[in-house]
Amino acid sequence: SQTIHQWPATLVQPVGSPLSLECTVEGTSNPNLYWYRQAAGRGLQLLFYSVGIGQISSEVPQNLSASRPQDRQFILSSKKLLLSDSGFYLCAWSEPGGRYGYTFGSGTRLTVV
Amino acid sequence: QKEVEQNSGPLSVPEGAIASLNCTYSDRGSQSFFWYRQYSGKSPELIMFIYSNGDKEDGRFTAQLNKASQYVSLLIRDSQPSDSATYLCAVNPSGAGSYQLTFGKGTKLSVIP
Repeated sequence: SQTIHQWPATLVQPVGSPLSLECTVEGTSNPNLYWYRQAAGRGLQLLFYSVGIGQISSEVPQNLSASRPQDRQFILSSKKLLLSDSGFYLCAWSEPGGRYGYTFGSGTRLTVV
Repeated sequence: QKEVEQNSGPLSVPEGAIASLNCTYSDRGSQSFFWYRQYSGKSPELIMFIYSNGDKEDGRFTAQLNKASQYVSLLIRDSQPSDSATYLCAVNPSGAGSYQLTFGKGTKLSVIP
């Protein structure tokens, strides 16, 4: 069966520090991968998605970036965090057509102080 | 812009009652419809999906789809306090990028013992 791993679960980082969040998927190949952010009391905001290795699409301009160095690995990064980057970051995967919906990882709670 | 609308709630129902959660969508060509449950501080979990007009039942949950009215709903029978969560409606739009789900902002359900 397919599983998605996301870490760390919680993170407290000072303003201006770098960020690296990692997500891996097991039990499937060539998945679509997604990074979402959910601010407190807000809806899901799609940040990046990827349909293949090295293929990254950005949905919103910001100081975050994403990379997909391997088929089942998706990384969210920042060189310098802002206070506004605080939130709940969720990685998700789907089969290429998305017909069966997304499966989300357990999420990373990021607090920028 | 393709949109998914949900009443933010909170929707309060007594234990044992039927909870009815509603969702409307703007893209008439949408093909697939999903309901996610999100407990506070946790990631969304897929609980139901429906592709065809009519009802689909799974245990205490029933998803209802009416494509002509662009309306999808989730009924929870015999509501339990453990059903208290935010329920997100998501839709696969038509056309290019149809694997990208559009999420509503969610309805918060509170089941009162």
